[in-house]
Amino acid sequence: NAGVTQTPKFRILKIGQSMTLQCAQDMNHNYMYWYRQDPGMGLKLIYYSVGAGITDKGEVPNGYNVSRSTTEDFPLRLELAAPSQTSVYFCASSYEPTGFEQYFGPGTRLTVT
Amino acid sequence: TQLLEQSPQFLSIQEGENLTVYCNSSSVFSSLQWYRQEPGEGPVLLVTVVTGGEVKKLKRLTFQFGDARKDSSLHITAAQPGDTGLYLCAGHRWAGGTSYGKLTFGQGTILTVHP
Repeated sequence: NAGVTQTPKFRILKIGQSMTLQCAQDMNHNYMYWYRQDPGMGLKLIYYSVGAGITDKGEVPNGYNVSRSTTEDFPLRLELAAPSQTSVYFCASSYEPTGFEQYFGPGTRLTVT
Repeated sequence: TQLLEQSPQFLSIQEGENLTVYCNSSSVFSSLQWYRQEPGEGPVLLVTVVTGGEVKKLKRLTFQFGDARKDSSLHITAAQPGDTGLYLCAGHRWAGGTSYGKLTFGQGTILTVHP
């Protein structure tokens, strides 16, 4: 199993550009999450999904969008990038019977200049 | 307001010392997890505790869940440089509505163990 994979690993965007961060998991987990982490800080939930076709906002959803057309994939879309979106983005998945233990991807380091 | 308060925020110690990290809340959690994150990587699960008063040991790491399931601690014995990293606690608390499945994370404790 590859677990949770994320692409790209690094990206530099100019202000106003858009991009999609890709996330995929091969563990058949229903729950998937997007977090952002600023330097030396904890994790802030952007969006999450409880299954294909169902998504909901987290703590900091502004400037982002998500979709979940399959169990495996959960892409995060950034529209009109702003310097405040410079951060490291982590995708995670979880499984209810284990108490929603999170399995994280390796992260995408995004810089908006 | 942080639902899960971690302390201390920073910890810098010498190899061989013991340390404890605390994770406190006024809310009851159905389960609580501890993660360790190394620079440039995603957090990795260390342990899950679900029963009030539960104690779990993982080699030199001891995790405890408070009797009332509102707090937890992580104790490291004889710390080593390889223990260096960001330690995060996270709890699951169903508050109704769409909160099911979401974890609340503490702000993290940055541990540095010097050789």
